[in-house]
Amino acid sequence: ETGVTQSPTHLIKTRGQQVTLRCSSQSGHNTVSWYQQALGQGPQFIFQYYREEENGRGNFPPRFSGLQFPNYSSELNVNALELDDSALYLCASSLATGENEKLFFGSGTQLSVL
Amino acid sequence: QKEVEQNSGPLSVPEGAIASLNCTYSDRGSQSFFWYRQYSGKSPELIMSIYSNGDKEDGRFTAQLNKASQYVSLLIRDSQPSDSATYLCAVRLYNQGGKLIFGQGTELSVKP
Repeated sequence: ETGVTQSPTHLIKTRGQQVTLRCSSQSGHNTVSWYQQALGQGPQFIFQYYREEENGRGNFPPRFSGLQFPNYSSELNVNALELDDSALYLCASSLATGENEKLFFGSGTQLSVL
Repeated sequence: QKEVEQNSGPLSVPEGAIASLNCTYSDRGSQSFFWYRQYSGKSPELIMSIYSNGDKEDGRFTAQLNKASQYVSLLIRDSQPSDSATYLCAVRLYNQGGKLIFGQGTELSVKP
């Protein structure tokens, strides 16, 4: 157990809908990153939050947005869902943003878009 | 060229053998390197990190890094059926914080 919790574990949505995924980071960790993992692929970096500010973003469109709260928990919001958004969404927390920081993943949210 | 490349496998080894998993990366600015294990339907679990050239051992696992060849590997000694999983290589570029670049993973199967 990494201490990183995500909710919900599974979600089914239809195309065009909006979804919010939630993450609580490990105690003492102030940095949260979100990843998308399609079936048979490695995780792809979406963005990172550090002290409530977005601090790095991958190649994802603006309809992917996020928030980090003062307690370092985080949300990932996806608007106008597309079929290709079906994937495992992973939240990872770390102590800080340094090069050698280790990322610890939560158990993920499996999103299916129909 | 993919930024991080791994053979997708499956790599099949008998129980008790050494499993060798390989990873190459394209960006010479890569600073830190990680191996994650992912069981089917589960999230990635960190098993090794390595930051400088050479070998790093932790129990049955040894990570090897060669920055000149842009190559990182993971050896698993005395492989067990419970080691059967997908192994993900991840690389972090300089000053990229939480952004890890993952390979697609190598599926390892350890046969009893």
